[in-house]
Amino acid sequence: QQQVKQSPQSLIVQKGGIPIINCAYENTAFDYFPWYQQFPGKGPALLIAIRPDVSEKKEGRFTISFNKSAKQFSLHIMDSQPGDSATYFCAASKDYGGSQGNLIFGKGTKLSVKP
Amino acid sequence: DVKVTQSSRYLVKRTGEKVFLECVQDMDHENMFWYRQDPGLGLRLIYFSYDVKMKEKGDIPEGYSVSREKKERFSLILESASTNQTSMYLCASSPPRDRGFWELFFGEGSRLTVL
Repeated sequence: QQQVKQSPQSLIVQKGGIPIINCAYENTAFDYFPWYQQFPGKGPALLIAIRPDVSEKKEGRFTISFNKSAKQFSLHIMDSQPGDSATYFCAASKDYGGSQGNLIFGKGTKLSVKP
Repeated sequence: DVKVTQSSRYLVKRTGEKVFLECVQDMDHENMFWYRQDPGLGLRLIYFSYDVKMKEKGDIPEGYSVSREKKERFSLILESASTNQTSMYLCASSPPRDRGFWELFFGEGSRLTVL
């Protein structure tokens, strides 16, 4: 119930394409769903996040779509660029009360955008 | 800028050695985390701490311990390193989790090789 399942493991698209990365979860107590982006040699960094009271959130070329009934959420990258080549992690978190919290991460998707 | 600094980027140790991985954050964050990153397995939580001298086990605490004597510093200890602990270790910190935007800030990682 604590898992977040992410697919695909790797993805290759041409510049300008729209890669889509999917995640699914079981635990309905999760209430926060971020996506992290990691470039080689760097730690992950927050890209975009959503809470289950909205079905979509867009920030620049990045969009999260959230389907609460299906317990699924996905990341879309519009007009992808070679600079978007990175590993992307979805994650989920639940409210433990107080200030505590941690993230359960998916296994990651390595995205390569070809020029 | 938030900065999470991990003391060593690369370490090579021998089986049975005691290993200390140090992490310091400069944003007065309450929460600190240690994750392990392995190809195909994503980010797995080892331990986290939400206050000085407090610690909570994550998903894979076996073979590890932690220490948080000061708010800004969180150490990961491998009492007797084994080859299956060869991995990338990522430290992160965060402010208190609340109902709004919540972000983990990661260091650049410590790549540990145990021979």
